[in-house]
Amino acid sequence: EPEVTQTPSHQVTQMGQEVILRCVPISNHLYFYWYRQILGQKVEFLVSFYNNEISEKSEIFDDQFSVERPDGSNFTLKIRSTKLEDSAMYFCASQDYEQYFGPGTRLTVT
Amino acid sequence: GNSVTQMEGPVTLSEEAFLTINCTYTATGYPSLFWYVQYPGEGLQLLLKATKADDKGSNKGFEATYRKETTSFHLEKGSVQVSDSAVYFCALSPESGGGGNKLTFGTGTQLKVEL
Repeated sequence: EPEVTQTPSHQVTQMGQEVILRCVPISNHLYFYWYRQILGQKVEFLVSFYNNEISEKSEIFDDQFSVERPDGSNFTLKIRSTKLEDSAMYFCASQDYEQYFGPGTRLTVT
Repeated sequence: GNSVTQMEGPVTLSEEAFLTINCTYTATGYPSLFWYVQYPGEGLQLLLKATKADDKGSNKGFEATYRKETTSFHLEKGSVQVSDSAVYFCALSPESGGGGNKLTFGTGTQLKVEL
């Protein structure tokens, strides 16, 4: 059964560094999403992406964040200058009729 | 804006006990409602959904009915198993069907089922 994959499973980075989280959505899906879950808190929407552009973003998704689909298969989330409060689990999802989630990347900013 | 409130956990039950996890929502219009489950070390998996009032979603023995009058979507299972131990998330999207609709999640309820 097709599934969404994410790499790495765990990323540790120092404050101020750039990180790129990678996702491979299910092929033939057209809508892509990033969500995050700070430990003990709700899963929060970050951004949705369709037709090679952002269709909606939350107030969390500020200028430090960007998304890209560089090669038609990968879907990446970049954080330009990480902060301690960016530490969270980041989930990618792709959608046909339902949203299918990847296993997540745990980002730890020290 | 849209929001989802679900009962806090953890919930600990004995095997074969009856499960209810409460979920209420606030939304304009006619949202779609979902329950997602997260097993340890895995991503979120869609468990069931309902797209209009009075719809009942069901899967793997779990059920939830879309109650517009009480803005609720409570998850139930008649007899839980140890393998049901997981975190359960109630969620909504603002429109029925289609793509590009973000999900708004509740805080999640951890369920632990013991022998």
